[in-house]
Amino acid sequence: GQNIDQPTEMTATEGAIVQINCTYQTSGFNGLFWYQQHAGEAPTFLSYNVLDGLEEKGRFSSFLSRSKGYSYLLLKELQMKDSASYLCAVRERTNTGGFKTIFGAGTRLFVKA
Amino acid sequence: DSGVTQTPKHLITATGQRVTLRCSPRSGDLSVYWYQQSLDQGLQFLIHYYNGEERAKGNILERFSAQQFPDLHSELNLSSLELGDSALYFCASSTRTSGTYNEQFFGPGTRLTVL
Repeated sequence: GQNIDQPTEMTATEGAIVQINCTYQTSGFNGLFWYQQHAGEAPTFLSYNVLDGLEEKGRFSSFLSRSKGYSYLLLKELQMKDSASYLCAVRERTNTGGFKTIFGAGTRLFVKA
Repeated sequence: DSGVTQTPKHLITATGQRVTLRCSPRSGDLSVYWYQQSLDQGLQFLIHYYNGEERAKGNILERFSAQQFPDLHSELNLSSLELGDSALYFCASSTRTSGTYNEQFFGPGTRLTVL
């Protein structure tokens, strides 16, 4: 079955760097996504990895190791507005040509001044 | 604004009732996904439709059903509602089923409260 683990909460200081880890077990792996979600709002897309390695996008980077079932999201130059939940999600391809996206429970990040 | 619309924004109903949630995907998107997010749980994948056909199913209860219409909008029907069905229901859309990079764009959600 599918299983995605990420820390429940993290706290970091404004201007610092924080790394949010995600481990997963899945079959039919077809990509890993990171989304940001502010309380009561819709998730918004941050990054996507399907091959091993690092993808950089401004202040955000995401890393994937498929053999280890491991990913991390790196946030640099933290700002107060980065306080949110960060969701790790694994996409699986189904045998009917569809996609299941399984989300982790999310990591709540608190950025303090 | 993701371009995905959901109605209604809020819905309050009683146990045993039936409700319909509606979703309009972004223009041109053929795939629609439904998710449930309860307070104590993360986003739970319910179902995926592509161009009117069901393509993937998650842990969707038998009391729940969905469909996607020819104009690509989708409806999620929840029946025999229970208190535990109270949650935020999100719809998301993406461009196509195949391909390696099709992020999902989420609608603002419908908050369902069952009393």
